[in-house]
Amino acid sequence: EVQLVESGGGLVQPGGSLRLSCAASGFTFSRYWMHWVRQAPGKGLQWVAKIKVDGSEEEYVDSVKGRFTISRDNSKNSLYLQMNSLRAEDTAVYYCARGMLAPHDRFFEFWGQGTLVTVSS
Amino acid sequence: EIVLTQSPATLSLSPGEGATLSCRASPPISIYLAWYQQKPGQAPRLLIFDASNRATGIPARFSGSGSGTDFTLTISSLEPEDFAVYYCQQRHTWPLTFGPGTKVDIK
Repeated sequence: EVQLVESGGGLVQPGGSLRLSCAASGFTFSRYWMHWVRQAPGKGLQWVAKIKVDGSEEEYVDSVKGRFTISRDNSKNSLYLQMNSLRAEDTAVYYCARGMLAPHDRFFEFWGQGTLVTVSS
Repeated sequence: EIVLTQSPATLSLSPGEGATLSCRASPPISIYLAWYQQKPGQAPRLLIFDASNRATGIPARFSGSGSGTDFTLTISSLEPEDFAVYYCQQRHTWPLTFGPGTKVDIK
């Protein structure tokens, strides 16, 4: 059974940093693109970042470029999101999501339960 | 950036009725569209990918169609568990984008 379990969310002050983690199990982690998708309270979904199977290529939504970094450790079946210079508008539930196999790797086949990040003073 | 527009914002229907949800893309995105279902307090679930392909385990009452700019998600006969918010998402161009969602609620 595919499982994605996020952790690391919490309350942080504006300008602060947080590192999210996603532990994957039930599939061969190193074969799949991985993504972070967020959802502000009561709002819709926003894709945040993606990383290829070997970590060789990343993409970000413009609003987080230069502040967030996605990474992965295939030996630990883990995905990460380092978030710096956090702003109030980054407040959201952050989901870890697994892409489908190529060529559909930009669709999200499995999702974690999400971790809430609140940016507030 | 690809902009996805969904209509209607809310659809009020009764169990057993059919539902037709629309997603419009600008500019065109070929068939590179997916549909997701999200219930309160839960993560989204992939229903349809590349416009018309049902994801694993998705009931046959869900179907998708369209290409280019106009896409449709059809639920042939609503079951009680189908009342939820539905999002479309494109994979044609970075950044990946979602539509604002259509809420299907009980009439």
